[in-house]
Amino acid sequence: GQQLNQSPQSMFIQEGEDVSMNCTSSSIFNTWLWYKQEPGEGPVLLIALYKAGELTSNGRLTAQFGITRKDSFLNISASIPSDVGIYFCAGVNYGGATNKLIFGTGTLLAVQP
Amino acid sequence: DTGVSQDPRHKITKRGQNVTFRCDPISEHNRLYWYRQTLGQGPEFLTYFQNEAQLEKSRLLSDRFSAERPKGSFSTLEIQRTEQGDSAMYLCASSLGRGKGTEAFFGQGTRLTVV
Repeated sequence: GQQLNQSPQSMFIQEGEDVSMNCTSSSIFNTWLWYKQEPGEGPVLLIALYKAGELTSNGRLTAQFGITRKDSFLNISASIPSDVGIYFCAGVNYGGATNKLIFGTGTLLAVQP
Repeated sequence: DTGVSQDPRHKITKRGQNVTFRCDPISEHNRLYWYRQTLGQGPEFLTYFQNEAQLEKSRLLSDRFSAERPKGSFSTLEIQRTEQGDSAMYLCASSLGRGKGTEAFFGQGTRLTVV
């Protein structure tokens, strides 16, 4: 099935560092969602974006909806060990022909205390 | 009601057996999704319900797979004659389906192992 491109594929950082990851698509979306998944669990919603150019924060997390509507970015500031997990983006076109979420390939984040 | 609930959490079955998974969405969420996730991959869409109507099915959903949401509340996903390639995490999600209630919330998943 279709998957969006996420980069980097993995990141190994020290506690306290800032993290940036992005997600790109060949098609446009009207909603972008960012999820975090830990081993053996379902994805947990972090941030939802609804307008091109929108910048939204949730604590140390900040995400942006790209102007072209084909990309999105997630930043984590001052990382801590509990940030470890796989981060997925998902694009959606609610109200269109389909309402399914198309997921990215994921970014694995490891944080060294 | 604190979230999407899936049952069972884990299922081990022999090849050729049938399995059924259940998903209870968040109350009043009229959209329900099923996804499949294999190791190292993002979730892949299987099917989607608006209330009791199944509005879209992925080509990943072979004839051996069937999903129902009879009363627009809980949903079941059945896999008949399981194959080793069916081994995966099966995820269910629900959303309100309107306005900013369009965010999808996932359950903890059902891990299926076919031996």
